[in-house]
Amino acid sequence: GNSVTQMEGPVTLSEEAFLTINCTYTATGYPSLFWYVQYPGEGLQLLLKATKADDKGSNKGFEATYRKETTSFHLEKGSVQVSDSAVYFCALSDAGGTSYGKLTFGQGTILTVHP
Amino acid sequence: EPEVTQTPSHQVTQMGQEVILRCVPISNHLYFYWYRQILGQKVEFLVSFYNNEISEKSEIFDDQFSVESPDGSNFTLKIRSTKLEDSAMYFCASSAGHGNYGYTFGSGTRLTVV
Repeated sequence: GNSVTQMEGPVTLSEEAFLTINCTYTATGYPSLFWYVQYPGEGLQLLLKATKADDKGSNKGFEATYRKETTSFHLEKGSVQVSDSAVYFCALSDAGGTSYGKLTFGQGTILTVHP
Repeated sequence: EPEVTQTPSHQVTQMGQEVILRCVPISNHLYFYWYRQILGQKVEFLVSFYNNEISEKSEIFDDQFSVESPDGSNFTLKIRSTKLEDSAMYFCASSAGHGNYGYTFGSGTRLTVV
């Protein structure tokens, strides 16, 4: 079955530091890949997505590249801000499979950014 | 920007009681979903719903759970005879299609079973 593995958290950074959150996946089909963010007390918001190999998703300074050869979708940001403190979830949807679009999530990575 | 609306935001119920969690998906979306997140754990898929019927469900979604969308604009999750381990955040999501489409999530209902 499909699975997503994220790096263990929590991650604590100073403002303006470089961020990487690793994500690797296992899928039987040709998945679409997503990063969702959950701010304290809120729901899940789509941060970025990529639907095929070598696609790069980007939003709000965050980027992630769909790497089929390494089955990875690592999240990066060059300079984090305090307001980026949140939980980040990597997820996949098996577009080519029989699944009706269900998302499989990683365990989430807590990011805390200090001033 | 269109939103998925969930009510209530927080529900406390006694063990053994029935609860209904409500969701209003985005109006032109065809696929509806329920997910749950037990505190500190990953977000887990419960069920997907399309064309007024369940299209897929997880092992978690047993006979205790049911969903319906009688008018196509509301989507409810009913949990019969709640258990302590049902305490979680429940998220509704909707999508215009599946696979490559984005999914819009509601803000969630925090269910506490006491």
